[in-house]
Amino acid sequence: GQNIDQPTEMTATEGAIVQINCTYQTSGFNGLFWYQQHAGEAPTFLSYNVLDGLEEKGRFSSFLSRSKGYSYLLLKELQMKDSASYLCAVSPSGGYQKVTFGIGTKLQVIP
Amino acid sequence: KAGVTQTPRYLIKTRGQQVTLSCSPISGHRSVSWYQQTPGQGLQFLFEYFSETQRNKGNFPGRFSGRQFSNSRSEMNVSTLELGDSALYLCASPIGDRGPNFVNTGELFFGEGSRLTVL
Repeated sequence: GQNIDQPTEMTATEGAIVQINCTYQTSGFNGLFWYQQHAGEAPTFLSYNVLDGLEEKGRFSSFLSRSKGYSYLLLKELQMKDSASYLCAVSPSGGYQKVTFGIGTKLQVIP
Repeated sequence: KAGVTQTPRYLIKTRGQQVTLSCSPISGHRSVSWYQQTPGQGLQFLFEYFSETQRNKGNFPGRFSGRQFSNSRSEMNVSTLELGDSALYLCASPIGDRGPNFVNTGELFFGEGSRLTVL
């Protein structure tokens, strides 16, 4: 089975940097995703890590360590619009479709 | 290019009733996944359909069922509704679904969801 842990809530200041951690335990692994979900809206894809290391995409970066079952999402130059839930998700081996999601980290950006 | 369309957006039912939700994936896509989202459990996988066949199923009771039509539109049905079925039901289409050369990396494009309230 799959087990994904991430903090429930975080607060950060506008303009700052925040790191959202995710640990996972899976019976197989094909990739790790991060999604952003604003309140009342659908989740939207942010990043995808298959290999160990850092993937950078503008203000957002995602890191993966497969041996440690660990990932983090790094948000730089925080903006008020970044207030949202951030979902860590894992794609198991042989079953791309059966993506397992963490419960999400609700990030509040304050002035 | 239209996105994933779900109907209805909101609905209220009472315990014991049944409900049918509809999802039309991205035009040309053949795969549809359904998820249930609740505050306590987060996003949980229900099932996935590809070309009218159910390929994967999550750990939900038999009250939850689905199907997919030849035009790729999908429906899910929940019978004998319980209070705990109140949730946001999300439908998703794999971003990598591009017809014959389907490469599903797991990246999903979600619809706006159907919010079900069971009283």
